[in-house]
Amino acid sequence: QVQLVESGGGVVQPGRSLRLSCAASGFTFNKYGMHWVRQAPGKGLEWVAVIWYDGSNKYYADSVKGRFTISRDDSKNTLYLQMNSLRAEDTAVYYCARVGYSNYGTDYWGQGTLVTVSS
Amino acid sequence: DIVMTQTPLSLSVTPGQPASISCKSSQSLLHSDGKTYLYWYLQKPGQPPQLLIYEVSNRFSGVPDRFSGSGSGTDFTLKISRVEAEDVGVYYCMQSIQLPQTFGQGTKVDIK
Repeated sequence: QVQLVESGGGVVQPGRSLRLSCAASGFTFNKYGMHWVRQAPGKGLEWVAVIWYDGSNKYYADSVKGRFTISRDDSKNTLYLQMNSLRAEDTAVYYCARVGYSNYGTDYWGQGTLVTVSS
Repeated sequence: DIVMTQTPLSLSVTPGQPASISCKSSQSLLHSDGKTYLYWYLQKPGQPPQLLIYEVSNRFSGVPDRFSGSGSGTDFTLKISRVEAEDVGVYYCMQSIQLPQTFGQGTKVDIK
């Protein structure tokens, strides 16, 4: 069965960096694009970034462009999100999710990892 | 960016009764490939979102047939024919015709 397990969240000061990981199993990872989506406490869902199945294309939300980098290591079946210059408004649960359908449609989601940006 | 607007924002339903959630997009979600890229998710308390419906009306694997989706262009509806206790949570519509993917505000469903 498809499993996505995020890790790397925690408490970090404003301006610092953090790298999130998403370990995938139960499917052929290198055949699927992957998203990061976040959810601030008590709020709705906000798309963050997507990477193509082969890593050839990456797209970002305007709110994170230039600060966050999505990447993947297919040899490790792992998706990453490098987050630099973190701000208080980046505080959220970060989910990785699989592109299961054409045009970025998302099917499976991980359980999420909480990032708290606070001094 | 495409704006997704859900109504109502909250819904209290008696078990066994139907429920309906509307989702309107600021632009048509009909792609030139003929598909319409509208999805429905349910986020149960303390859990990640789970896919219910993809491309307007297709139930995802394992989703009960009491859930159905309909609509076209910019107007969409999720219907639950007979609400059960396990259906509580927040329902989101999402468009993926273009990036950024955008979500509705969410509709919180609880049981009377």
